[in-house]
Amino acid sequence: QVQLVESGGGVVLPGRSLRLSCGASGFTFSTYGMHWVRQAPGKGLEWVAVIWYDGSNKLYADSVKGRFTISRDNSKNTLYLQMNSLRAEDTAVYYCASDGVGATHIAYWGQGTLVTVSS
Amino acid sequence: QSVLTQPPSVSAAPGQKVTISCSGSSSNIGNNYVSWYQQLPGTAPKLLIYDNDKRPSGIPDRFSGSKSGTSATLGITGLQTGDEADYYCGTWDSSLSGVVFGGGTKLTVL
Repeated sequence: QVQLVESGGGVVLPGRSLRLSCGASGFTFSTYGMHWVRQAPGKGLEWVAVIWYDGSNKLYADSVKGRFTISRDNSKNTLYLQMNSLRAEDTAVYYCASDGVGATHIAYWGQGTLVTVSS
Repeated sequence: QSVLTQPPSVSAAPGQKVTISCSGSSSNIGNNYVSWYQQLPGTAPKLLIYDNDKRPSGIPDRFSGSKSGTSATLGITGLQTGDEADYYCGTWDSSLSGVVFGGGTKLTVL
């Protein structure tokens, strides 16, 4: 079965950096696009970024463009999110998620990792 | 303010039917597939409906989806207390070049 396991969350000072990782198993990781989606405490879902199956294309939400970088290592079945210049409003649970067949939807979600930006 | 508009809450009695609407525009729902997600309290979202009206394996046929123009609807019949959750619609937005979600609808089964 598909498993997505995020790690790397924690408490970080404003302006600092953090890197999230997501280990994937149970499917052919290298053939699916991958996303990061976040959810601030008590709020709804906010899409953050997507990376094509082969890493050839990356797209970002305006709220994180220029500060966050999505990447993947298909040899390690791992997705990453490098977050720089963190702000209080980046505080959220960050979910790793995989595309479904046909890339028309997000099919599978990890359990999430909490990032808290606070002084 | 979410790109897709959902009612904040809906409620119905056990065994009854409920519908949740999701309104967008031509740049998102109007020209792309819609999916629906269920988020039980304290858990990650789970795919309920994809490609407007398809159910993944394991999702009961009590859940259904439809799309017309720039709006989509999630239907749930035979409501159970275990259906109490937040429900989100999502789709690709061609103008924003990204995934957009509705603000979420909290379902209460009275």
